[in-house]
Amino acid sequence: EAGVAQSPRYKIIEKRQSVAFWCNPISGHATLYWYQQILGQGPKLLIQFQNNGVVDDSQLPKDRFSAERLKGVDSTLKIQPAKLEDSAVYLCASSPTLDTQYFGPGTRLTVL
Amino acid sequence: DAKTTQPPSMDCAEGRAANLPCNHSTISGNEYVYWYRQIHSQGPQYIIHGLKNNETNEMASLIITEDRKSSTLILPHATLRDTAVYYCIVRSPRQAGTALIFGKGTTLSVSS
Repeated sequence: EAGVAQSPRYKIIEKRQSVAFWCNPISGHATLYWYQQILGQGPKLLIQFQNNGVVDDSQLPKDRFSAERLKGVDSTLKIQPAKLEDSAVYLCASSPTLDTQYFGPGTRLTVL
Repeated sequence: DAKTTQPPSMDCAEGRAANLPCNHSTISGNEYVYWYRQIHSQGPQYIIHGLKNNETNEMASLIITEDRKSSTLILPHATLRDTAVYYCIVRSPRQAGTALIFGKGTTLSVSS
C-alpha cells in the first residue's frame, strides 16, 4: 500500500513570496489533515478535511493560508504572503477511520 | 482532556530493551493511551494504543498501570533505527476523527 505522498520535500523562499504544497493521501482515506511543525515542537493542526469538506480550520491563519481538497482526494496548502515565522515542516496525514492517522514525509519550508 | 508528561530524552544501548515512560495522572475512564514516533525527517508513525489491558504488536508493547495513571512503551530489542522522538497521547472516543494533540515527546537515542 502506497503511503501519503507530499511534494516538494524542501522549499526555500523569500518573505512575502507565495508557496504551495501538495498532498496525495492513501487511496480511500476520507479524512485528510494538514499539520505545521515548528522546530523543536510537536505537530499542530492547521486544517482538517472530511472528503472535500472542511471539518476544522480554527487554527488556520486565514489571512495568509488557504487549503483545498478538490474531489475529496488530493489537497493543496498555500501560503501568500509568507512570513519568517512560517518556516516549519508542513505535514499531511490521512485516516481511513476515526482512529489511526498516517503521515507523509512532510515539506520543509524555509522563509528568508 | 488528560495531559501527559514524558522525560525529554533517554538513551539506550542497541539490542537492549527501551522503556519509555508516560505519566497521565488525570486520565479518565474512557480515554485511550496512544503512542506515535517521529524519526528524523519523517512524519509521525503510529505505534500502538491501549485502554487498560497490556497490548503488544510487532513494533512494541504497551504496559498500562492498574490505576491507569501511567504507562510504559517497551521496544524489546532497540536498534539504531529506533532513534526517534516518541509521543504519548491520551484521547477519548469523542476525539476520534479529530486532530492529534502532540506534546514535545521523548527523544530516544539508541547507540551501538
